[in-house]
Amino acid sequence: QLNLQQSGPGLVKPSETLTLTCSVSGESIDPISSSSWYWGWVRQSPGKGLEWIANIYYSGTIHYNPSLKSRVIISKDTSNNQFSLKLTSVTAADTAIYFCASGVEIAVMYPFAYWGQGTPVIVSS
Amino acid sequence: DIVMTQYPASLAVSVGERATINCKSSQSLLDSSNDKNSLAWFLQRPGQPPELLIYWASTRQSGVPERFSGSGSGTDFTLTISDLRAGDMTVYYCQQYYSFPWTFGQGTRVELK
Repeated sequence: QLNLQQSGPGLVKPSETLTLTCSVSGESIDPISSSSWYWGWVRQSPGKGLEWIANIYYSGTIHYNPSLKSRVIISKDTSNNQFSLKLTSVTAADTAIYFCASGVEIAVMYPFAYWGQGTPVIVSS
Repeated sequence: DIVMTQYPASLAVSVGERATINCKSSQSLLDSSNDKNSLAWFLQRPGQPPELLIYWASTRQSGVPERFSGSGSGTDFTLTISDLRAGDMTVYYCQQYYSFPWTFGQGTRVELK
């Protein structure tokens, strides 16, 4: 059973970079042994609801939401079996609960079936 | 971007009754290569992450009770919850994974009548 455990700061100052990490257990994110999985981030705010941010695939392929693409980096750390999100130049509009999530792609894409617990992030000085 | 419109925004239902939630997409979600609609339904309880209920518009995720069923094709989809339980009173979202950026509906809150 896959488990996703998130970590990261709950408070970030405006203009700074938000970094969140999602540790994976129950499955390896190493592309050699995880050829079906993809990993992603979603955020939720009262004003914008649920917003998909980015996905990274076992192959290393990445998809970003164009609305955030200029400020977002998603990456994998196979040595620590985790993946991360960096969001630069944050503003109050980036205040939200951030979720990591994962799903499979086996010939066809399946939606996120596993989710982290969520990290509330407030952008404030 | 594909816009997902859910309605109603909220509905009040009694325990044991049926709830019907609708979701309309601004473009067809039918993938002609596999004849599947790339539409998922999630529920979200307070303070919890979303939980996948239905994918491919009508396929229940493992462990999801048969009371939850999905239907529809193209641009119009429905989630039906039969024999409502108190624990089903929460917020439901549809999501398209047909094309990027993936997008969600605004949610439907199911409340106790």
